Amino acid sequence: DAGVTQSPTHLIKTRGQQVTLRCSPKSGHDTVSWYQQALGQGPQFIFQYYEEEERQRGNFPDRFSGHQFPNYSSELNVNALWLGDSALYLCASSLLGKETQYFGPGTRLLVL
Amino acid sequence: AQKITQTQPGMFVQEKEAVTLDCTYDTSDQSYGLFWYKQPSSGEMIFLIYQGSYDEQNATEGRYSLNFQKARKSANLVISASQLGDSAMYFCAMRENLEGAQKLVFGQGTRLTINP
Repeated sequence: DAGVTQSPTHLIKTRGQQVTLRCSPKSGHDTVSWYQQALGQGPQFIFQYYEEEERQRGNFPDRFSGHQFPNYSSELNVNALWLGDSALYLCASSLLGKETQYFGPGTRLLVL
Repeated sequence: AQKITQTQPGMFVQEKEAVTLDCTYDTSDQSYGLFWYKQPSSGEMIFLIYQGSYDEQNATEGRYSLNFQKARKSANLVISASQLGDSAMYFCAMRENLEGAQKLVFGQGTRLTINP
């Protein structure tokens, strides 16, 4: 039973560039959430996708956008990168109506 | 808004001892869920245990148990017989319902170090 997978594992970008992060949910899961974890902090909710639609968004600017595909996989896009976007980006999957979210290994993004 | 507070930035424990990691929460919701996750240096958040607000029994999963005291709004994680592999960051989180979506609100975490 495959768990949540994310790609790439590490990424280095420069200010102003755009980045796309990818996530495949755990088998049988239909809901994907994205979190940003800055160094030394707990994860912060970015948004959640279900049935290819964004259901809720946290306190993140429109530079952060996402997409969910018919196979439930998801992408997180960040435009016009800032230095402050450097963080670990975590994807979590769950089954709608169930409590527990299962996380992937994360993508470490460094913006120079 | 919901809030999670973890007051222990770091904990140092001898191997095989039991350890309690503190977590207090603040919410006005009647129905809520509380979680503990473990984050090794690799970065992956590993689900450990879940407690629902209406669950009468404290949750247990192997060596992990959750000491749920609803009136005090605390949800402490107890790890029995600690092992070297338990060294990691531990996060307490609460499920917040947002118009059908569910987001997790995390505390700042506690870094647990198990000494041989």
